[in-house]
Amino acid sequence: DAGVIQSPRHEVTEMGQEVTLRCKPISGHNSLFWYRQTMMRGLELLIYFNNNVPIDDSGMPEDRFSAKMPNASFSTLKIQPSEPRDSAVYFCASSLGLTNTEAFFGQGTRLTVV
Amino acid sequence: GENVEQHPSTLSVQEGDSAVIKCTYSDSASNYFPWYKQELGKRPQLIIDIRSNVGEKKDQRIAVTLNKTAKHFSLHITETQPEDSAVYFCAASMGGGNDMRFGAGTRLTVKP
Repeated sequence: DAGVIQSPRHEVTEMGQEVTLRCKPISGHNSLFWYRQTMMRGLELLIYFNNNVPIDDSGMPEDRFSAKMPNASFSTLKIQPSEPRDSAVYFCASSLGLTNTEAFFGQGTRLTVV
Repeated sequence: GENVEQHPSTLSVQEGDSAVIKCTYSDSASNYFPWYKQELGKRPQLIIDIRSNVGEKKDQRIAVTLNKTAKHFSLHITETQPEDSAVYFCAASMGGGNDMRFGAGTRLTVKP
């Protein structure tokens, strides 16, 4: 398996534009996590899914952020409209979803909003 | 929800010395405690983990200890090498498809 795959690797966009980040989890994994990493706030959990169902989105900063998982092999994180303070590295991670199992991270998407 | 605190935020040691990073967690239901290493510009990767039924686990130069009563766990790196320089994150989870919360990270620098 190629691991967790995220796209794009880098995204530069203008303030106010819509941004969509994509994630393909490891095949067979039932849990998927979206994290945001900044120097100031570290690794923040934004939302996670079990079996394609959102379980906890309390970490989503505001209504401008939304996430979907239409099937077991694909998830998106959308920001609309984007703002400069959204600039960060966004990581997707997946795990088997069983007790005490490792979360595998994708390479991350570095988002810059200018 | 779970809250994980990690200390110190930065740590500098001489090559060959030991390094210790400490974390505390808030939810007594947490039972899985992984440690991740993140090198500059790369993704976090698991280096060691410990489950709640174990008090200590060791893997070569790396060891983790867990005190469930006090709700804290620690990472110990012995005989540090320059390639150990990275940011280390602790995390806590209740497992079984529950969320995984991370500490703020410790930037470890090993000086040759």
